[in-house]
Amino acid sequence: KNQVEQSPQSLIILEGKNCTLQCNYTVSPFSNLRWYKQDTGRGPVSLTIMTFSENTKSNGRYTATLDADTKQSSLHITASQLSDSASYICVVSDRGSTLGRLYFGRGTQLTVWP
Amino acid sequence: EADIYQTPRYLVIGTGKKITLECSQTMGHDKMYWYQQDPGMELHLIHYSYGVNSTEKGDLSSESTVSRIRTEHFPLTLESARPSHTSQYLCASSGSGDEAFFGQGTRLTVV
Repeated sequence: KNQVEQSPQSLIILEGKNCTLQCNYTVSPFSNLRWYKQDTGRGPVSLTIMTFSENTKSNGRYTATLDADTKQSSLHITASQLSDSASYICVVSDRGSTLGRLYFGRGTQLTVWP
Repeated sequence: EADIYQTPRYLVIGTGKKITLECSQTMGHDKMYWYQQDPGMELHLIHYSYGVNSTEKGDLSSESTVSRIRTEHFPLTLESARPSHTSQYLCASSGSGDEAFFGQGTRLTVV
């Protein structure tokens, strides 16, 4: 069964600190993995995309990693800011259909305190 | 900023009423999706469309229906709203790549 599991479910950190969010998936065949940020009451917005051949990709203070062998990804946030408070969702796309079916994790709710 | 729009943003409606949630995108995307999301929970796919006149049910069973008469428009209809339909409904679209662009969502409350 194609699944996407994220941990932790929620996380509270102080402003300026770093944190790492985890994503494990069983989606096969794998196409790509995206991390989305969802602010409260809004739709998710894509932060990064990782394809099979990519190990690390950065987008400002966000750095995503992918280990396609162990089917694990992480999102590292450096020097956190209050505006980083949001839900971070791991989304994996398969190649099993012509449409690239998307599988969503439950998300990690990050809260950054001043 | 993605060019996908949902209206209304918030809706409070009585039980038994018929409602239509609107979703429009100006990116020319063929694929469009409707997701349902309860607070603190994951997104559940309830409907998707490959293109005009194509609609399919998603993973989560839903009493809602959708139509795709035009590429840019993917409305969702509930014939008779119930309190169990209270949730947030997110519309998304994607083109040749896999990135899904989401609307702002409609928060529906049925009283």
